[in-house]
Amino acid sequence: GQQLNQSPQSMFIQEGEDVSMNCTSSSIFNTWLWYKQDPGEGPVLLIALYKAGELTSNGRLTAQFGITRKDSFLNISASIPSDVGIYFCAGRTINTGNQFYFGTGTSLTVIP
Amino acid sequence: IAGITQAPTSQILAAGRRMTLRCTQDMRHNAMYWYRQDLGLGLRLIHYSNTAGTTGKGEVPDGYSVSRANTDDFPLTLASAVPSQTSVYFCASSHGSNQPQHFGDGTRLSIL
Repeated sequence: GQQLNQSPQSMFIQEGEDVSMNCTSSSIFNTWLWYKQDPGEGPVLLIALYKAGELTSNGRLTAQFGITRKDSFLNISASIPSDVGIYFCAGRTINTGNQFYFGTGTSLTVIP
Repeated sequence: IAGITQAPTSQILAAGRRMTLRCTQDMRHNAMYWYRQDLGLGLRLIHYSNTAGTTGKGEVPDGYSVSRANTDDFPLTLASAVPSQTSVYFCASSHGSNQPQHFGDGTRLSIL
């Protein structure tokens, strides 16, 4: 299957700090998605990106579709305790039909 | 708004037993999916259905079967469970097969 490398694996930050995480693929993707998963729940869609260079915000979250189409970035500004969770990227390439591949996740801990 | 309902929430099962995980969505989404989530491996696609009456194999289909008799339901069956199938199983759906997916809260399955 596709290789999606997500980094960092985990982050411990102080409340109020900004957070950056990224995802890279071995293939060119035409869609990037970012999800957040809380313990005991399913992933919830945060942001969807469809064009190279696209920059999209959802509140304090901003995600970008990398120009090379092989990467994507998620930034969280002014983190708060409820940002705790696991963040997943997912991508789709036309070479794999409509199947989305998921990264292994970034675990975020916010210290009050 | 119910969205996606998965049942059971959790299950402990003896190896060799047959088990069906249920998934129902009320969003009239055309496409549905089954993933398994394992530590360090992220979400991996087991089977999918782009529309009622059709199914397809994902990345890790062996040992699992699905059916899609109608739009709302997409059950996943383990014909003869093995310990390596211990995992958290997520059902997802999307309006179209190339659209972002929405997830249920998962079924935690332990095979002993």
